[in-house]
Amino acid sequence: GQQLNQSPQSMFIQEGEDVSMNCTSSSIFNTWLWYKQDPGEGPVLLIALYKAGELTSNGRLTAQFGITRKDSFLNISASIPSDVGIYFCAGCYTNDYKLSFGAGTTVTVRA
Amino acid sequence: GAGVSQSPSNKVTEKGKDVELRCDPISGHTALYWYRQRLGQGLEFLIYFQGNSAPDKSGLPSDRFSAERTGESVSTLTIQRTQQEDSAVYLCASSLGPQGTGSPLHFGNGTRLTVT
Repeated sequence: GQQLNQSPQSMFIQEGEDVSMNCTSSSIFNTWLWYKQDPGEGPVLLIALYKAGELTSNGRLTAQFGITRKDSFLNISASIPSDVGIYFCAGCYTNDYKLSFGAGTTVTVRA
Repeated sequence: GAGVSQSPSNKVTEKGKDVELRCDPISGHTALYWYRQRLGQGLEFLIYFQGNSAPDKSGLPSDRFSAERTGESVSTLTIQRTQQEDSAVYLCASSLGPQGTGSPLHFGNGTRLTVT
């Protein structure tokens, strides 16, 4: 698959803080997805983006599909302890089935 | 069940042995995927099944890896003559269709394989 660079690799945040992570690709995608993985479980879809420039929210989560189609970011507002986990970005082309995944951002929340 | 089911959840095997991992997709999902997740890394595509089409095996790392799917139901991933570098979590996922059409992947909880 395509190379995705996800940053930061890890972060410690204070409960109540906002956090941002991003993902860049070496080539364009038509779909960007953000997943969260809790320990011992499979990734769960958080937000799906299908149009360049699209800004989508899911509760305290907001994600954007970059206008260059080579990047995306995810924001978490007012973090809480259950936000702990690994967040993955993923991208693909329309009607494709192979997702390319970033290496993940590990989020740890300090109470 | 409502989700993707994988078994076993954990498997410890000796180097050189064969292992078989099982996946039950969500009923009605025509697409089934296997991914590998090494410690601290992202997900690595292995193989994809879609309906009656020939599977895309392009992600299988060697000929020791193979997978089968019976119709649109259960799939098994087989690793022959396991090596220590095969140690990873093997994740299965299913979806109604391709990713760009609003058919997200639903993942199982994975099988953690440890080769000693």
